[in-house]
Amino acid sequence: AQKITQTQPGMFVQEKEAVTLDCTYDTSDQSYGLFWYKQPSSGEMIFLIYQGSYDEQNATEGRYSLNFQKARKSANLVISASQLGDSAMYFCAMRFDNAGNMLTFGGGTRLMVKP
Amino acid sequence: GAVVSQHPSWVICKSGTSVKIECRSLDFQATTMFWYRQFPKQSLMLMATSNEGSKATYEQGVEKDKFLINHASLTLSTLTVTSAHPEDSSFYICSARTYRGNTEAFFGQGTRLTVV
Repeated sequence: AQKITQTQPGMFVQEKEAVTLDCTYDTSDQSYGLFWYKQPSSGEMIFLIYQGSYDEQNATEGRYSLNFQKARKSANLVISASQLGDSAMYFCAMRFDNAGNMLTFGGGTRLMVKP
Repeated sequence: GAVVSQHPSWVICKSGTSVKIECRSLDFQATTMFWYRQFPKQSLMLMATSNEGSKATYEQGVEKDKFLINHASLTLSTLTVTSAHPEDSSFYICSARTYRGNTEAFFGQGTRLTVV
């Protein structure tokens, strides 16, 4: 069975500091995609970053980077220079290429940035 | 990026009535759309996969007669919650996949349904 786990239900970070949100997954598939989404209180899902299972380099998008460790089956999100507007729920998700292309989500981490 | 529009953003309805939620891909054709449900403080759970021109595929435990999905065109999928009850109150959100690239699934804004 494929499963996504986010072990941190909530986290605090000081403004301007970096923070790492954990995500581990369990699959025997070789081909898959890893996503991170941000969900503010309004409910919309904002795409942050993507990593393909065959990508050799860690993905980066502005202040977001993905620490992909395939052997450990982890895909942690690193947010550098946290801003107050980063306070939100963050979801790790996977798309298993042999499973209809839908996303399977982790339980989420609520990040709160302190001024 | 591609845009997915979901309407309405919130709705309050009486128990026993039906509610229709629309999900439109505005600038691309989506042969497949996905419907998710999110209860408060929980994650998104896939309800069904909507395929243009064919019957939707429902996840285990989701009642297909209660959550009717229609995907009549390449830009529109609808979810109808029939005979809604208070336990159906939730946040419903759709997503669509564009085949311009395989790196992103685009989400609608979501619909917050409250059944009273």
